[in-house]
Amino acid sequence: ETGVTQSPTHLIKTRGQQVTLRCSSQSGHNTVSWYQQALGQGPQFIFQYYREEENGRGNFPPRFSGLQFPNYSSELNVNALELDDSALYLCASSLEGTKNIQYFGAGTRLSVL
Amino acid sequence: AQTVTQSQPEMSVQEAETVTLSCTYDTSESNYYLFWYKQPPSRQMILVIRQEAYKQQNATENRFSVNFQKAAKSFSLKISDSQLGDTAMYFCAFMSPNAGNMLTFGGGTRLMVKP
Repeated sequence: ETGVTQSPTHLIKTRGQQVTLRCSSQSGHNTVSWYQQALGQGPQFIFQYYREEENGRGNFPPRFSGLQFPNYSSELNVNALELDDSALYLCASSLEGTKNIQYFGAGTRLSVL
Repeated sequence: AQTVTQSQPEMSVQEAETVTLSCTYDTSESNYYLFWYKQPPSRQMILVIRQEAYKQQNATENRFSVNFQKAAKSFSLKISDSQLGDTAMYFCAFMSPNAGNMLTFGGGTRLMVKP
């Protein structure tokens, strides 16, 4: 067990809708990263938050946004869903001072129809 | 930009035997970390082993060990005494503190351990 939980486990949306995915990390894990994993591929970095501020972003459009809260939970929001957004979304958290080790949740499987 | 390549999409091994998964990477960074993650059907990424680039000694974790060849930018994973529970997708990943502490993953290798 990594201590990182994600909800929901599965989600079905239609094109154009908006979605919010949630992640809860262990106490003290003040860095959270989000990844998108398309079927059959390795995860792709979306963005990272450190102490509630965005701390880095991958090659994803602005309709992908996030929030991190003081209680070590975080959200990934995706607006104007597209069919290609269908993927497994993984959240990973790191403990202060050990940023190079990321602990992953089991992910949210998003299907866009 | 960093890239990670896993050239073996699928591999299989008999239970109790040894298997080696390959990974190569490309970077201009001098300070970085390399990882192998396991993703079973439950989907949760589990850290298998980590290597710090400045350490010449290869990392070992029980049945798992790496062959880190820094000059060749190669980072292979050896699994000894393979067990049925080792069946999973294995991802090689790169991280540099100078490049934002984000993980760059390879495309993965699907490992099947046969009884």
